[in-house]
Amino acid sequence: AQSVAQPEDQVNVAEGNPLTVKCTYSVSGNPYLFWYVQYPNRGLQFLLKYITGDNLVKGSYGFEAEFNKSQTSFHLKKPSALVSDSALYFCAVYNTGGFKTIFGAGTRLFVKA
Amino acid sequence: DAGVTQSPTHLIKTRGQQVTLRCSPISGHKSVSWYQQVLGQGPQFIFQYYEKEERGRGNFPDRFSARQFPNYSSELNVNALLLGDSALYLCASSLRDGSTDTQYFGPGTRLTVL
Repeated sequence: AQSVAQPEDQVNVAEGNPLTVKCTYSVSGNPYLFWYVQYPNRGLQFLLKYITGDNLVKGSYGFEAEFNKSQTSFHLKKPSALVSDSALYFCAVYNTGGFKTIFGAGTRLFVKA
Repeated sequence: DAGVTQSPTHLIKTRGQQVTLRCSPISGHKSVSWYQQVLGQGPQFIFQYYEKEERGRGNFPDRFSARQFPNYSSELNVNALLLGDSALYLCASSLRDGSTDTQYFGPGTRLTVL
């Protein structure tokens, strides 16, 4: 079965420090991976996706993610965190067999000033 | 351009009632997907429609149904509501039904079942 795991419920980081939000996946075939962010009382906003090609994907708001096939990971990163980055982050994988996107449980990021 | 819109914003129903949620995709997008997000969890896939045809269905009971109209807008219907149906219902649109397409989400409809 295809799945996504976000091992950390919460990540705390100081403003200006680098941040990492972890994601691992399990799929059969080629993985199509996505990161979304959700602010309170809002829908999800697309950050970036990996389809093929370069393992380092750059996205919106200075975020990037590194695809690692051997470790089946797709961690979200940002070199310098902002207080405004505090939100709920979701990793997702597309299930080609079922025509559906599977989301992780989410990781809450707190950036302290 | 307008993003994905959903109506209503909030809804309160009682157990056993029926509810219809509506979604208008981004102009030019032909695919609409529905998700249920229970508080504290990630979105769970319910349906995907493309060109008015159902392309995918998640693990939800037959009480959940949906359809897509010729203008690509969509409705999600839930019959015989249960307390456990209380959630944020998200609609997402994409250009096609492909696996690589980016989905753009609406703000959601908050359904409360009493």
